[in-house]
Amino acid sequence: AQKITQTQPGMFVQEKEAVTLDCTYDTSDQSYGLFWYKQPSSGEMIFLIYQGSYDEQNATEGRYSLNFQKARKSANLVISASQLGDSAMYFCAPYPHLNTGNQFYFGTGTSLTVIP
Amino acid sequence: DAGITQSPRYKITETGRQVTLMCHQTWSHSYMFWYRQDLGHGLRLIYYSAAADITDKGEVPDGYVVSRSKTENFPLTLESATRSQTSVYFCASAPGWGMPRPLHFGNGTRLTVT
Repeated sequence: AQKITQTQPGMFVQEKEAVTLDCTYDTSDQSYGLFWYKQPSSGEMIFLIYQGSYDEQNATEGRYSLNFQKARKSANLVISASQLGDSAMYFCAPYPHLNTGNQFYFGTGTSLTVIP
Repeated sequence: DAGITQSPRYKITETGRQVTLMCHQTWSHSYMFWYRQDLGHGLRLIYYSAAADITDKGEVPDGYVVSRSKTENFPLTLESATRSQTSVYFCASAPGWGMPRPLHFGNGTRLTVT
């Protein structure tokens, strides 16, 4: 199985500040990608953003962007101008490929708390 | 409405009983997955299915059984429930892997084994 590491179990950020959530992965694939999901306290899983390894520019979706460093095998999520509604669990998950058996694994998550 | 539906939302059962969690999706997605979520472990893959009648084990399959006789349904059965299977269970689906597409999740089933 691909190994995904999210080293920050809990993070705090002041409202309106930016925050970076870390995700590193271990893969021998040359072509791969990575998803980020948000899970608010209500429990649903919400897709945020995707980055492919061959994408030339870092992915952005509104206030979300990815700091993708291929050599370091990291794809950190950057949330700009944090809002109270950003308080949630955040999970990264690599896009599976055929040689991984189509198993879609997740990191252990980072709990983000936005402080007013 | 199109979507992925899990039932029941909440379930309390006793140790040793068999319980089945249901998952139904209306997109005709090829792939379906079952995860369990426990504090400190994130989401762990139990079983997944690439198509009807094709299933395979994930990280933590012991004590669980799945079937997929129809594309749209992917039930998860705990054959003899144990307290360690108290968890929140998520079902998810995805189309084929030709293009990167995120998983679509159900709202989860909170299972308590007493």
